[in-house]
Amino acid sequence: AQKITQTQPGMFVQEKEAVTLDCTYDTSDPSYGLFWYKQPSSGEMIFLIYQGSYDQQNATEGRYSLNFQKARKSANLVISASQLGDSAMYFCAMRENFGNEKLTFGTGTRLTIIP
Amino acid sequence: SQTIHQWPATLVQPVGSPLSLECTVEGTSNPNLYWYRQAAGRGLQLLFYSVGIGQISSEVPQNLSASRPQDRQFILSSKKLLLSDSGFYLCAWSLRPAINEQFFGPGTRLTVL
Repeated sequence: AQKITQTQPGMFVQEKEAVTLDCTYDTSDPSYGLFWYKQPSSGEMIFLIYQGSYDQQNATEGRYSLNFQKARKSANLVISASQLGDSAMYFCAMRENFGNEKLTFGTGTRLTIIP
Repeated sequence: SQTIHQWPATLVQPVGSPLSLECTVEGTSNPNLYWYRQAAGRGLQLLFYSVGIGQISSEVPQNLSASRPQDRQFILSSKKLLLSDSGFYLCAWSLRPAINEQFFGPGTRLTVL
């Protein structure tokens, strides 16, 4: 079974609208961390936001927020007031067992912002 | 502040030729280091990681090897490249223990012809 599933291969969103990128995960470990990365066309992976499995509140970083629904094993990224510069690939990733050296990445969602 | 460098940025190599990609990190000590490969339009596949000098963990059996000769230097190598080795190679580092995020370098785009 896939550890990280991103079901939206591509999305088109009008500029200034909010967008939700879906991510579901699979783990039996009670301690884990969830990450979102942005990959623009230049290729570099840019860290956006982190959510720990024991965090009580949803993580937020500027226009990014993480809609963490633990029972559903869902960690969707919400981008508010989208901008043209948000066009990129977005990857969800998980670290099982705090201190595990490895991240497991999803297959990504290509987001295109339409002016 | 910490920075991570990778070179070269792009590389075109013939099948059967050797490969050496280098990654260096500045501004931190004892980092965890990682090599990933990304095929065109796909996600990231972890190839190797290292928690210290000379300590290499291999994730996927393949034509590649990695070495860490110095604390902040990570090298990806091959003796004979295959067509299937083409891809985008990303180096990353994280603090130890690896609780939080990994920070990625700019990547190397490798084309094997």
